[in-house]
Amino acid sequence: GESVGLHLPTLSVQEGDNSIINCAYSNSASDYFIWYKQESGKGPQFIIDIRSNMDKRQGQRVTVLLNKTVKHLSLQIAATQPGDSAVYFCAEISGNTPLVFGKGTRLSVIA
Amino acid sequence: GAGVSQSPSNKVTEKGKDVELRCDPISGHTALYWYRQSLGQGLEFLIYFQGNSAPDKSGLPSDRFSAERTGGSVSTLTIQRTQQEDSAVYLCASAGGTGGYEKLFFGSGTQLSVL
Repeated sequence: GESVGLHLPTLSVQEGDNSIINCAYSNSASDYFIWYKQESGKGPQFIIDIRSNMDKRQGQRVTVLLNKTVKHLSLQIAATQPGDSAVYFCAEISGNTPLVFGKGTRLSVIA
Repeated sequence: GAGVSQSPSNKVTEKGKDVELRCDPISGHTALYWYRQSLGQGLEFLIYFQGNSAPDKSGLPSDRFSAERTGGSVSTLTIQRTQQEDSAVYLCASAGGTGGYEKLFFGSGTQLSVL
């Protein structure tokens, strides 16, 4: 079946540097692509989403890029801070189907 | 409260016992999900309720698992004859209203330990 997956399971970044977390998807019919952040002991928290008809969207310190040609999604975090340490999940949703999560990438910020 | 509430936060049970996990979604959210997460792993989809539509049960791992959502609000996930491999964190999420169906709000989960 179609699925959402990730290139890198772990990522270590120096505090203040930019982070890039990548995700590959296979369902070209998805309407939205979303990034969630999960801190230890908590449920995932919505960060940012992007509609399928867009290729870039910016939030506060975060940017999501969507490349439909190669079915690739990325999350860029500017000036990474210790509080950004968490597991990041990409997800996709299409119509009334359930939202599907990828496997997750653990981001560790080195102070 | 304004968020998704799950209870209990922790549940320890013996193998073979039945357990019920409860989820109170955000008021007005028509979509409700159950996910399972083993330690250090991703989110395994279990079941999805959307309004009055028939639930999507495609993620339930066996017929020991069932869920219902009463009155379009509170949901209960039931695991019968629990097994040790059922040990995990069970997460509930709701979505809809003005936030859009792609923006899920999660509870803190129920940590289930089957001895």
